[in-house]
Amino acid sequence: EAGVVQSPRYKIIEKKQPVAFWCNPISGHNTLYWYLQNLGQGPELLIRYENEEAVDDSQLPKDRFSAERLKGVDSTLKIQPAELGDSAVYLCASSFTGRLGERTDTQYFGPGTRLTVL
Amino acid sequence: GQSLEQPSEVTAVEGAIVQINCTYQTSGFYGLSWYQQHDGGAPTFLSYNGLDGLEETGRFSSFLSRSDSYGYLLLQELQMKDSASYFCAVRDGGNYQLIWGAGTKLIIKP
Repeated sequence: EAGVVQSPRYKIIEKKQPVAFWCNPISGHNTLYWYLQNLGQGPELLIRYENEEAVDDSQLPKDRFSAERLKGVDSTLKIQPAELGDSAVYLCASSFTGRLGERTDTQYFGPGTRLTVL
Repeated sequence: GQSLEQPSEVTAVEGAIVQINCTYQTSGFYGLSWYQQHDGGAPTFLSYNGLDGLEETGRFSSFLSRSDSYGYLLLQELQMKDSASYFCAVRDGGNYQLIWGAGTKLIIKP
């Protein structure tokens, strides 16, 4: 079974440029998460999707960050314009939530995209 | 506020046993999870405790005491490949969001 796929793995851009990250979750996983992880810290949730609906985007800096999951499968996260402080690893994770709301606490992570803003 | 506290770094010897503690203060509690992350890698799920007590999975065990807002991860028969960062994370019942600790870097010496 394929895991969570993310691309690109590394991205180097200059400040004020736009950048986009792509994530394909594990097949059948209807919940998708985007996290930001700085060196030496735990992941910080940016946005959580249940199918195509963003159910928690309270931590997403909406002035420059946007995300979409149009068909409830893969997702893109965009930053425009990027700032120096956006340099971090962007992680995508997925998990399964049943129709009755039952869910597992196991989140499966992709390898992440390491963004460097110069 | 919501917070999880865990040591920033722990050092142990190959073949030994090490315990990584985690204390939490969250508005809701629906379980404590542990994840392992190697340098440059993705976090991978290790264990979950929803109820008090010990959960064992091979060389790894995890313990939870909800009355003390405390849990730990126990790693036995340490191997060099266990060198990684270990994160505790609490599921906040309000919105099922995972609240993550800052991670404990485990250094294993031969």
